[in-house]
Amino acid sequence: AQSVTQPDIHITVSEGASLELRCNYSYGATPYLFWYVQSPGQGLQLLLKYFSGDTLVQGIKGFEAEFKRSQSSFNLRKPSVHWSDAAEYFCAVGAGNNDMRFGAGTRLTVKP
Amino acid sequence: SQTIHQWPATLVQPVGSPLSLECTVEGTSNPNLYWYRQAAGRGLQLLFYSVGIGQISSEVPQNLSASRPQDRQFILSSKKLLLSDSGFYLCAWSVRGIQETQYFGPGTRLLVL
Repeated sequence: AQSVTQPDIHITVSEGASLELRCNYSYGATPYLFWYVQSPGQGLQLLLKYFSGDTLVQGIKGFEAEFKRSQSSFNLRKPSVHWSDAAEYFCAVGAGNNDMRFGAGTRLTVKP
Repeated sequence: SQTIHQWPATLVQPVGSPLSLECTVEGTSNPNLYWYRQAAGRGLQLLFYSVGIGQISSEVPQNLSASRPQDRQFILSSKKLLLSDSGFYLCAWSVRGIQETQYFGPGTRLLVL
């Protein structure tokens, strides 16, 4: 079965600084990869997804992610973080058996 | 447009009591439906998913069960709650196919005392 690892439980960055959230996956075939964001007490919202094609994917709110098959990674990036980006971020991998596996999440704190 | 509803938003229940959480989707037909649990400080754990009425797949053995009595209704139940059942329960839907985006409801926060 597929699995997802987000190595960083909590990250703090200053407003305006760049951001990279790490995600590694384990799956035998080409996976479907997703990044979701969750504001406190809310449901999850999709930021971006990768299925095939260009390995650099653009998402909403200025986020992008790059699929690197050789490293089994799908890291999320943003060039300049805004205070409103403070939230919890989840990487997920989908497989052909109709389910989705989520990572444990990375909580982002943004310092003024 | 499609919307997903969950209720109640918050629930406090004693240990050993029954549970029923409801999720309904509007604006789409034949969705895949999912129940997740998010424990404090932890990621999402897939509990159940359904690809059609009466079709439930369970991912984790537990004292919870799920039912899909109608196409756009998904219910999470328990006969006797445990303390460990506390958490944030999220319902989600997607069109058919795992490559499709999942759309999440607002969640139900359950506290078992």
